Amino acid sequence: EPEVTQTPSHQVTQMGQEVILRCVPISNHLYFYWYRQILGQKVEFLVSFYNNEISEKSEIFDDQFSVERPDGSNFTLKIRSTKLEDSAMYFCASSPIGTSGSTWDEQYFGPGTRLTVT
Amino acid sequence: GQSLEQPSEVTAVEGAIVQINCTYQTSGFYGLSWYQQHDGGAPTFLSYNALDGLEETGRFSSFLSRSDSYGYLLLQELQMKDSASYFCAVSETGFQKLVFGTGTRLLVSP
Repeated sequence: EPEVTQTPSHQVTQMGQEVILRCVPISNHLYFYWYRQILGQKVEFLVSFYNNEISEKSEIFDDQFSVERPDGSNFTLKIRSTKLEDSAMYFCASSPIGTSGSTWDEQYFGPGTRLTVT
Repeated sequence: GQSLEQPSEVTAVEGAIVQINCTYQTSGFYGLSWYQQHDGGAPTFLSYNALDGLEETGRFSSFLSRSDSYGYLLLQELQMKDSASYFCAVSETGFQKLVFGTGTRLLVSP
């Protein structure tokens, strides 16, 4: 069964450094998302991406963050100048909206990248 | 803004039935979905309701009442592997995102 993949599974970085989190969404999906989850808390929406541009972003997704689809398969989240409070699990997701009857409520999540900022 | 409320924890025994409630406040409501998350794992889509009523998928059912801004997830014939966190999530018309609730931790005991 197709699945969303993410690399790396765990990233440790120092405060102020830049990190790039990588995702490969399911191949025939059209919408892509990034969420984050601080340990023990709820999943928080960061950004959605469609047709090579951002379609929605949250107040968390400030100038420190950017997303890119550099080729036909990868979807990346870049965090510039990381802060301690950026430590969280980052999930990539994709949804098959556009295929028969589907909506963006049915999202398929990757296994996540645990980001630790020291 | 949006807010979703769920009980923080529910306990039950194997074979039992459990209901996890979710109340929400949002403008432009489109649909309510449910996700399961095991410790250390990714959220997994379980069910979705856009219209009032009950949707059944195997041992799991989900219910929505739009007039009451309320929904629930019903889990039947509980198994130990159902021990996980369960999140309700709302979507709004015109917005390509999900807003998740705080999650309900379900503990199933023998």
